[in-house]
Amino acid sequence: GQQVMQIPQYQHVQEGEDFTTYCNSSTTLSNIQWYKQRPGGHPVFLIQLVKSGEVKKQKRLTFQFGEAKKNSSLHITATQTTDVGTYFCAVYSYNTDKLIFGTGTRLQVFP
Amino acid sequence: ETGVTQTPRHLVMGMTNKKSLKCEQHLGHNAMYWYKQSAKKPLELMFVYSLEERVENNSVPSRFSPECPNSSHLFLHLHTLQPEDSALYLCASSQDRSRPGSYNSPLHFGNGTRLTVT
Repeated sequence: GQQVMQIPQYQHVQEGEDFTTYCNSSTTLSNIQWYKQRPGGHPVFLIQLVKSGEVKKQKRLTFQFGEAKKNSSLHITATQTTDVGTYFCAVYSYNTDKLIFGTGTRLQVFP
Repeated sequence: ETGVTQTPRHLVMGMTNKKSLKCEQHLGHNAMYWYKQSAKKPLELMFVYSLEERVENNSVPSRFSPECPNSSHLFLHLHTLQPEDSALYLCASSQDRSRPGSYNSPLHFGNGTRLTVT
């Protein structure tokens, strides 16, 4: 079945450093969503990408959809302690009719 | 402040108990979901109700039983659970298109119920 892998699983960075998480799918995607879950919290929707090669920015966050629509990335510039949490990608599976979440990347930021 | 409210926030139950988790959404959405989040595992979709029609998920054990009396309320009835069922159970809602099971709309999650089965 369709698989969605995220790398890395964990990332520890010093405050001010950049961070990137990657989401890879085994099949071509119609769109991709990104969520953030703070420790002890619930996933919160960040953004949805639809077009091939699309790039969207939210302040220090840059989201990119691959040209082949099989992968995506989330890049955070100059991380802050408020960026701590787990970042999930989520993709819609035509085969199973489900929204499949990636394995997540847990980000820790040291002050 | 989330528009999706879950109760209780924490629940400890024995394997022979029967309990129910409750979810209410105040966003006017037409689809509601139950997800299970275990340590070191991806979020697992358990059940979907879209336009009050249930989308079956055959991989969920029968000891979990959902109920959706209307588009704003969702329950998850639990009975004879196992310790491995201990997890965070998240409810979510979205505004979906008419086709049941469509997932292009973003999900709005509740705070979850932390369940411990002893």
